[in-house]
Amino acid sequence: EVQLVESGGNLVQPGGSLRLSCAGSGFTFSSYWMSWVRQAPGKGLEWVANIKQDGSEEYYVGSVKGRFTISRDNGKNSLYLQMNSLRADDTAVYYCARDGVERPLGYWGQGTLVTVSS
Amino acid sequence: DVVMTQSPLSLPVTLGQPASISCSSSQSLVHSTGNTYLIWFHQRPGQSPRRLIYKVSIRDSGVPDRFSGSGSGTDFTLKISRVEAEDVGVYYCMQDTYWPFTFGGGTKVEIK
Repeated sequence: EVQLVESGGNLVQPGGSLRLSCAGSGFTFSSYWMSWVRQAPGKGLEWVANIKQDGSEEYYVGSVKGRFTISRDNGKNSLYLQMNSLRADDTAVYYCARDGVERPLGYWGQGTLVTVSS
Repeated sequence: DVVMTQSPLSLPVTLGQPASISCSSSQSLVHSTGNTYLIWFHQRPGQSPRRLIYKVSIRDSGVPDRFSGSGSGTDFTLKISRVEAEDVGVYYCMQDTYWPFTFGGGTKVEIK
């Protein structure tokens, strides 16, 4: 069974940093693109970033470019999101997601809450 | 970025009746490969989203056949042939033809 477990969400002050982690199990982690998607409280979904199987390609939504970095450690079956220069509008539940057999976001974790506030 | 627009915003439905959600994109979602990459998700209250359909019309494993997707170019539709109580929640379309991937604003389905 595919499992994705996010961690690292917390309350952080504006301008601060946070690193999210996602542990994958039940599948060959190194075989899939992985993504981060976020959802602000009471709002819709926003795709944030994704990374190729070997980490050689990364893509970001414009609002996080230069501030967030997606990475992965296939030896540890883990996905990461380093978030710097955090702003109030980064407050959201952050979901980790794996490609399906085809195309993205076929499997999702339960999410981790990031709150940016003073 | 490609803008995805869903309608309606809210959809009250009667159990056992059909329902239809529309999704349009600001530009054609036909990829250079000739494929069209449009996904539908369902999110129940308090839960993570679940992918229902990808590449416009292909149902994910375990998705009931009362769900169907159709469309081409810039206009797409998700249909539920007979709504069941478990179908309540918010439905999102998302294009995965171009980076950054972009979602529609969501359609909330509730039982009348």
